[in-house]
Amino acid sequence: NAGVTQTPKFQVLKTGQSMTLQCAQDMNHNSMYWYRQDPGMGLRLIYYSASEGTTDKGEVPNGYNVSRLNKREFSLRLESAAPSQTSVYFCASSEEYSVNYGYTFGSGTRLTVV
Amino acid sequence: AQSVTQPDIHITVSEGASLELRCNYSYGATPYLFWYVQSPGQGLQLLLKYFSGDTLVQGIKGFEAEFKRSQSSFNLRKPSVHWSDAAEYFCAVGIINFNKFYFGSGTKLNVKP
Repeated sequence: NAGVTQTPKFQVLKTGQSMTLQCAQDMNHNSMYWYRQDPGMGLRLIYYSASEGTTDKGEVPNGYNVSRLNKREFSLRLESAAPSQTSVYFCASSEEYSVNYGYTFGSGTRLTVV
Repeated sequence: AQSVTQPDIHITVSEGASLELRCNYSYGATPYLFWYVQSPGQGLQLLLKYFSGDTLVQGIKGFEAEFKRSQSSFNLRKPSVHWSDAAEYFCAVGIINFNKFYFGSGTKLNVKP
């Protein structure tokens, strides 16, 4: 089925390790987003890419970097993982960068940092 | 500051009973309003959205929501809940001027047989 694909689905890291979360969409959407979901806090925006070639910080960008590799792919990198980054990470996409458009979400990556 | 409040963290209803999930927002103007559902181990799926016009909107899976400007609310309803509706539900508002979304903290729905 068309949609947003995230890899991996689960990951355990040791403090200080690095990793990259991958996201790809096949809907020809222009905008892509990375959110983290923590219990009782809803979803918080980490970074977004309004269009290919651009990236911007969201609400909680510290400790993360992103790359919009092409129109389809948007990766999230943790350079030095910390226990506070234990969370579920969701990638999402939308046709355009506008609240007129709803998001399509991936199924998430559950990350544990020990 | 803009905020989205879902006052109920957990709700349990019996299968076949009616359901109402509450959502209130804090914003001066009318935002765009959304409800998403997250089944266990899955991403969020859009249930319905309100931009303008008729304040009662219909969505997928038999859900509807009503926008009440005077109460700054956008409550989600379903007349008869099915066991497959057990999930977590998120309200979200889109602030037009800033082109930003804000999500509520979610309401987890359990359905008793």
